[in-house]
Amino acid sequence: VQLLESGGGSVQPGGSLRLSCAASGFTLRNFLMTWVRQPPGQGLEWVSALSASDNTAYYADSVRGRFTIARDNSQNTVSLQMNSLRADDTAVYYCAKSTYSDKSVYDLWGQGTLVTVSS
Amino acid sequence: EIVLTQSPATLSLSPGERATLSCRASQSVDTYLAWYQQKPGQAPRLLIYDASNRATGLPARFSGSGSGTDFTLSISSLEPEDFALYYCQQRRDWPITFGQGTRLEIK
Repeated sequence: VQLLESGGGSVQPGGSLRLSCAASGFTLRNFLMTWVRQPPGQGLEWVSALSASDNTAYYADSVRGRFTIARDNSQNTVSLQMNSLRADDTAVYYCAKSTYSDKSVYDLWGQGTLVTVSS
Repeated sequence: EIVLTQSPATLSLSPGERATLSCRASQSVDTYLAWYQQKPGQAPRLLIYDASNRATGLPARFSGSGSGTDFTLSISSLEPEDFALYYCQQRRDWPITFGQGTRLEIK
């Protein structure tokens, strides 16, 4: 049972990146899936979540309108499309799985993928 | 947004001592509070959920308590592997929020 993120990298301000999180060992659509980020040397910041029950997406104010979370049930993945990136989006991005259904308690985390926004 | 304030920012203790970490919420989160441990270069690890429930496989030296706005994570007798960063997190309301963290360091 694991999560594996990919898609991180370096991008200029205003650019876009798409992060992907692949699940193995469980069916991702049965759980609320969340993205959490951690700027270098700083604490954890919740970014976005996608509910299992009704596919409702939730976003932090800091990313609403720029980021989009989505799920691909055929691939057992969740993605985070990030547009209009800013320097303060620089962080390690983690995907996390809820303990069950739509409960925002995260019992499985990926290893993280680094996003660097810089000119 | 519910703000979580953790104290102290840094806690310096020796192995074998008892650690008490605090998390205070800006408004009631009932018991919808979790604790995570993070070591350098690693993802966070769930310790406690719903204020007092230990995650699967967590040693019994870890315990959580509290409700409403005041919560505590206790480690009864510190092992060398317990020195790390600790975060609280509320799920009472969107947006989900984390505390700023407490660093537990070896004295």
